Amino acid sequence: GNSVTQMEGPVTLSEEAFLTINCTYTATGYPSLFWYVQYPGEGLQLLLKATKADDKGSNKGFEATYRKETTSFHLEKGSVQVSDSAVYFCALSGKSGSSNTGKLIFGQGTTLQVKP
Amino acid sequence: GAVVSQHPSRVICKSGTSVKIECRSLDFQATTMFWYRQFPKKSLMLMATSNEGSKATYEQGVEKDKFLINHASLTLSTLTVTSAHPEDSSFYICSASSRLTGGGSNQPQHFGDGTRLSIL
Repeated sequence: GNSVTQMEGPVTLSEEAFLTINCTYTATGYPSLFWYVQYPGEGLQLLLKATKADDKGSNKGFEATYRKETTSFHLEKGSVQVSDSAVYFCALSGKSGSSNTGKLIFGQGTTLQVKP
Repeated sequence: GAVVSQHPSRVICKSGTSVKIECRSLDFQATTMFWYRQFPKKSLMLMATSNEGSKATYEQGVEKDKFLINHASLTLSTLTVTSAHPEDSSFYICSASSRLTGGGSNQPQHFGDGTRLSIL
């Protein structure tokens, strides 16, 4: 079945450091891929998405490229800020036969702590 | 952007109590709503998919008699945890999608802020 695997956390960085959070997936067909962010005590917010191979999603300085050959969707940011501290979830939304299911399958989440 | 409101944000109650959580789409018609459960430091686990006007589809291992889902209108879905016990304590999150937001696999779901349920 479909699954998503993220790198273990927590990830602790100093402000302005470069961030990479790895995400790989297993899926049949061509899923859509997402990154969601969860701030403490809150629900999830969509950070970015990509719907087909080689698409690059970007938002708020974060980027991720849909790599079909490596089944990856790694999240990157060139210079993190303290306000980026949160839990980041990689997710995929796939198909069942010819139908779009809309169901999201999440990775386990990676906690990012950015220190001043 | 699309907004989903979830209420209450926090519930503390005694064992044996039934608890209702509401999920409302504020500016769009949510044809499909999803209910997730999140354990501390863990990922989100999909519990059920709720389509307006029809019975919810539960994921394997989720007790439908324990977690009652009603999606009576295009803007409201409710999750009732019946006769809650301490092991039901968790963070419950709803999300919604619609035809207008595209639905399907390539459109994002819009999430509520979650409900933290604590059963004493």
